[in-house]
Amino acid sequence: ETGVTQTPRHLVMGMTNKKSLKCEQHLGHNAMYWYKQSAKKPLELMFVYSLEERVENNSVPSRFSPECPNSSHLFLHLHTLQPEDSALYLCASSQLQGSSGNTIYFGEGSWLTVV
Amino acid sequence: EDQVTQSPEALRLQEGESSSLNCSYTVSGLRGLFWYRQDPGKGPEFLFTLYSAGEEKEKERLKATLTKKESFLHITAPKPEDSATYLCAVQTGANNLFFGTGTRLTVIP
Repeated sequence: ETGVTQTPRHLVMGMTNKKSLKCEQHLGHNAMYWYKQSAKKPLELMFVYSLEERVENNSVPSRFSPECPNSSHLFLHLHTLQPEDSALYLCASSQLQGSSGNTIYFGEGSWLTVV
Repeated sequence: EDQVTQSPEALRLQEGESSSLNCSYTVSGLRGLFWYRQDPGKGPEFLFTLYSAGEEKEKERLKATLTKKESFLHITAPKPEDSATYLCAVQTGANNLFFGTGTRLTVIP
């Protein structure tokens, strides 16, 4: 089983729908992340959870709502999205440890298309 | 402002033709520089972490090096299966990576 698992891999939703992306990490890490990857753009950090507390929220619109019930699971709840929100959404995890760099491991991503 | 620039944007190599990818960065307080490989439709796969200037790491046909301003990913005698997008990222705080836009490598048999 891969270290970071995301479901669903593909999602098509209308602008009035509500859906959720799910992520589970099997690496024993204490931090989890949501990134957005759009064509021709660098990966953009959306949210970070450290020990189940949200520590970063990079000016993400409120139509994206994260939830971290425990250190192994992370959700991204989606509602009233716009077509420009269509992208690859990547979940990741890492083990935060002091001041040294920590390696972030990614899942396979969830392809979202908003119609 | 922290910035990461990768070049070239795309690179086509003949099988066996060695080359290098560049990642230049301007950041305050580098904690680490990371290289990832990303295949189409998949998440980034971790390759290397470099922490200080002068450090080098190798894995099969790949070798990553780091100076105070840039990092290189050297590819020696590449094979078609090395075709992918290679992403560079720098870490300044504990919680985030700043990514470049990547270099799309195509290795032709």
